[in-house]
Formats: sequence, C-alpha cells, structure tokens
Amino acid sequence: GNSVTQMEGPVTLSEEAFLTINCTYTATGYPSLFWYVQYPGEGLQLLLKATKADDKGSNKGFEATYRKETTSFHLEKGSVQVSDSAVYFCALGVISSGSARQLTFGSGTQLTVLP
Amino acid sequence: DGGITQSPKYLFRKEGQNVTLSCEQNLNHDAMYWYRQDPGQGLRLIYYSQIVNDFQKGDIAEGYSVSREKKESFPLTVTSAQKNPTAFYLCASSIGADSGNTIYFGEGSWLTVV
Repeated sequence: GNSVTQMEGPVTLSEEAFLTINCTYTATGYPSLFWYVQYPGEGLQLLLKATKADDKGSNKGFEATYRKETTSFHLEKGSVQVSDSAVYFCALGVISSGSARQLTFGSGTQLTVLP
Repeated sequence: DGGITQSPKYLFRKEGQNVTLSCEQNLNHDAMYWYRQDPGQGLRLIYYSQIVNDFQKGDIAEGYSVSREKKESFPLTVTSAQKNPTAFYLCASSIGADSGNTIYFGEGSWLTVV
C-alpha cells in the first residue's frame, strides 16, 4: 500500500537557520507529491507540489525535489522566519483502484522558529 | 472569493447524538473529501465523492455518513455509532481525480463529545 514517513518533530530552530524536513514514501504507480502547511487552529494549505520525478516544487522560499531513486521529497528552506512556525505535512496522491484520487499523509512535523 | 466553507467551526455533541458538519465549495470542483485529524497525527480519509450522487468509503468510514445531492455541498454526519468522534474534521475538494490536481482544504471543524 501507499505510505509516507516524515521526520519526527518537534523541530525548533532560530530565525534565519536552515530547515530540512525529511519525507520518504512508498507507492504503487506514479504518485504526485505535496507539502501542506497547517497553522494553529486552521485547515491545511498547499505549500508546494511536484507531479513527476526530478520536478522541483517551490513556494515562499521553500523547496522540495521529487527524487524517485531515493523515494524522497525533503522540504528545505534556506532561512526560516518566526512566521514559518506551523505543522508541515508531506503527502502523496495516487489514483486509487476506484479511480478517485486520495491523499496519503505523513504524521506531520511541528516546526517552531524562535526570534 | 472562491473557497471551501465549513460550519460550524466548533461543535459539542452529547453521547448518543448525531451531528452534521456542513461543507460548501464554490470552486466548481467535482471531487470532495472528508478527513479526520487527531492530535499529533496525520489526516485519515473518511469519505470521498467524485461526482454528484456518488460517494465512496475511505479508510475510516464506520460511524459516519455523507450525501452529495449538489455539486457544491458534501455534508458529513457523525452518528452515535462513531465511538470516538472527538477530532478535527477537514473538508476538501479538487477539480477531479487526476493525481496531479491540488486538493484544497476548508478551515476545519472541531467536534467535541461532552
């Protein structure tokens, strides 16, 4: 079956530090990969996505590259800000046997950035 | 503005009661989804619907029911059969079933059993 394994948190960084949140996956077929961000008390917002191998998704200074050879989609940011404090979810999307796409989520990584 | 509206934001349920969470989208999306999120965990799929008058069970459908009478609406009923309903519920939608299409989420509804 499909699964996503995320780096366990919580992660605490100082402002302007470099961020990496690891994400690896197992999937049948050719999934699309996503990073979602959830701020306290809110729903999830799409941060970035990649739909095929070697694609790089980027948004708001965050980047992730779809690595088929290592089945990974690690999230990186060169210089984090306090406003980046949130929970980050890695997810994969595939067409299910019923032809309806479903997302499989990782367990989430809590990031706290200190000033 | 286009988006997904969930209501209520907070809901309290007594033991043995059914409650219905509303989800409306004006994005003209065909597919809609309900997820459950428990503290410190990822999201789990409850039900999904690809088109009007059709829906399928997700991974944790027991104790829940849905309907899809209109394209823009996908209400979720949490029945008394759901043994542990306290959670954060997220409604979502996407243009269609293609794996590259983005899924958009509502703001969520907090359900607490008292």
